[in-house]
Amino acid sequence: ETGVTQSPTHLIKTRGQQVTLRCSSQSGHNTVSWYQQALGQGPQFIFQYYREEENGRGNFPPRFSGLQFPNYSSELNVNALELDDSALYLCASSLRTGTGGDTQYFGPGTRLTVL
Amino acid sequence: RKEVEQDPGPFNVPEGATVAFNCTYSNSASQSFFWYRQDCRKEPKLLMSVYSSGNEDGRFTAQLNRASQYISLLIRDSKLSDSATYLCVVNILSGNTPLVFGKGTRLSVIA
Repeated sequence: ETGVTQSPTHLIKTRGQQVTLRCSSQSGHNTVSWYQQALGQGPQFIFQYYREEENGRGNFPPRFSGLQFPNYSSELNVNALELDDSALYLCASSLRTGTGGDTQYFGPGTRLTVL
Repeated sequence: RKEVEQDPGPFNVPEGATVAFNCTYSNSASQSFFWYRQDCRKEPKLLMSVYSSGNEDGRFTAQLNRASQYISLLIRDSKLSDSATYLCVVNILSGNTPLVFGKGTRLSVIA
């Protein structure tokens, strides 16, 4: 096990609603990255948080937002849910050392279904 | 052109077979390379990092050709437990370090 936990494991929402997904990073890790994995696709990078600041963002609209807390846990918030937001949302934690090549360890994911 | 492209699959092979997965990447600035394994409805798990010198871990061998921007994974003596989706992943080190995933290639090892 990676020590990365996510909650909830499954979630069903309707279009237009808002959702908050949570991630606890592995002990000692300071960086959290969020990915969206649609069915049959590879994970797509949403954004990354390092020391409580957003530190890189993929091609996702502003209704996808996040937070990182002092204990390095993180939240992903999605507003105005759309049907295409249905996916597995993965959180990955890593330790940024400044030398690059951080290995990212994934949590079990939250499966979101938007009806 | 997608940043990371993999064999479309699926691959259906008998136990004991040798199977090879191929992957190409488009960004020559890519610095780190990985193969991840993902079981059905589970999270991706790091299988192995890939180095220019090539590396081997038991039945698994990974190769990187930077000039051709090509990565491969070879699985020898396939086991039923190798059945999974194999994801080719690159990391462009530019301050923020998102992983860029291929679509994955599904492997089914059949008894």
